[in-house]
Amino acid sequence: DSGVTQTPKHLITATGQRVTLRCSPRSGDLSVYWYQQSLDQGLQFLIQYYNGEERAKGNILERFSAQQFPDLHSELNLSSLELGDSALYFCASSETGISSGANVLTFGAGSRLTVL
Amino acid sequence: AQTVTQSQPEMSVQEAETVTLSCTYDTSESDYYLFWYKQPPSRQMILVIRQEAYKQQNATENRFSVNFQKAAKSFSLKISDSQLGDAAMYFCACEGGSQGNLIFGKGTKLSVKP
Repeated sequence: DSGVTQTPKHLITATGQRVTLRCSPRSGDLSVYWYQQSLDQGLQFLIQYYNGEERAKGNILERFSAQQFPDLHSELNLSSLELGDSALYFCASSETGISSGANVLTFGAGSRLTVL
Repeated sequence: AQTVTQSQPEMSVQEAETVTLSCTYDTSESDYYLFWYKQPPSRQMILVIRQEAYKQQNATENRFSVNFQKAAKSFSLKISDSQLGDAAMYFCACEGGSQGNLIFGKGTKLSVKP
């Protein structure tokens, strides 16, 4: 158990629908990162939050949004789902959210999204 | 923008032998960290080893070591005395900026033959 909790583990939905993925970071970690892992794209960085504020943005589609709440858990919202959104979505957390020796990313087990 | 390239989609090694996985990267940062992560069939991403770019000494963690060539922007992973449990996808990663987010390569699938 890495200490990073992601729910749900598996999710099957239809095109056009909206889903929410949830992440609870490891105790003491202030920064949360979201990654998408699909077969043909590898691990793509989506977005990073630090203590409730957006810190960095990667290849996140406009149909996707995220936020980090005061208790530091984060949610990734995916809307108007398409077949190509089927992927494994990882959440990771780190202590500082800045480049330093202490900023090691710890990953959750991922949420497998299947869009039919 | 940072990029990470892993040119070996698949590798195979005999149990107890040594294997080296290649990785090259590009970054405009002057100070950064490099990482190797392992993803076994369980899908869990597990940190294997990390290297601070300003340190010339190569990092080592038990049977895992790196060959870091800063000028060549090369960061290879050597696994010694390979074990069946080492079979996994291995991802090389570079920090994407001062925020600490990681940019990953596409991975190398390592098979270990008994």
